[in-house]
Amino acid sequence: TQLLEQSPQFLSIQEGENLTVYCNSSSVFSSLQWYRQEPGEGPVLLVTVVTGGEVKKLKRLTFQFGDARKDSSLHITAAQTGDTGLYLCAGEGDMRFGAGTRLTVKP
Amino acid sequence: ETGVTQTPRHLVMGMTNKKSLKCEQHLGHNAMYWYKQSAKKPLELMFVYNFKEQTENNSVPSRFSPECPNSSHLFLHLHTLQPEDSALYLCASSQERMNYGYTFGSGTRLTVV
Repeated sequence: TQLLEQSPQFLSIQEGENLTVYCNSSSVFSSLQWYRQEPGEGPVLLVTVVTGGEVKKLKRLTFQFGDARKDSSLHITAAQTGDTGLYLCAGEGDMRFGAGTRLTVKP
Repeated sequence: ETGVTQTPRHLVMGMTNKKSLKCEQHLGHNAMYWYKQSAKKPLELMFVYNFKEQTENNSVPSRFSPECPNSSHLFLHLHTLQPEDSALYLCASSQERMNYGYTFGSGTRLTVV
């Protein structure tokens, strides 16, 4: 089992601020995925990163895969209240998720 | 419309009851999964089915019994549950073991009383 550690566990910020959350492992992944889960719903896939060093942008969200393919980060620019949720990462093939970062964006 | 539909959305059951959770996907995926999500705990993988065959049972108690009659349907049969089994049960599907990511249903919020 490849353990995925996410940090921080909780993050509360004001609307308009920037933030970065992390997903780290001691194992190498062929790809890694980020999901967002809103209360009472299932996680929704945001992005898959495949190549070491890859950067993907989804509007105000920027995802980066580490060069060694063991870690990833998610940066949100000018956070909005709609970004509130639980952000989860998962490594391909392992079927297991990190514990997540619970983000609250206050108006 | 997520493509993965779970019913019921909410379920309250007594410890002596028998109930079933249903999951249906119309995405043409070959793999289906049950996850348990409790408060303050990460998503826990319970069962994996690949092409209708169970390929993983993550040490789940026998009071949870999965069934996968075809690649589009997945059930979780529940009997003699405990209060600590109260959780959000999520079904997911993928094209051959997560090559392209999971699609999750909205979950069934289970309360055992």
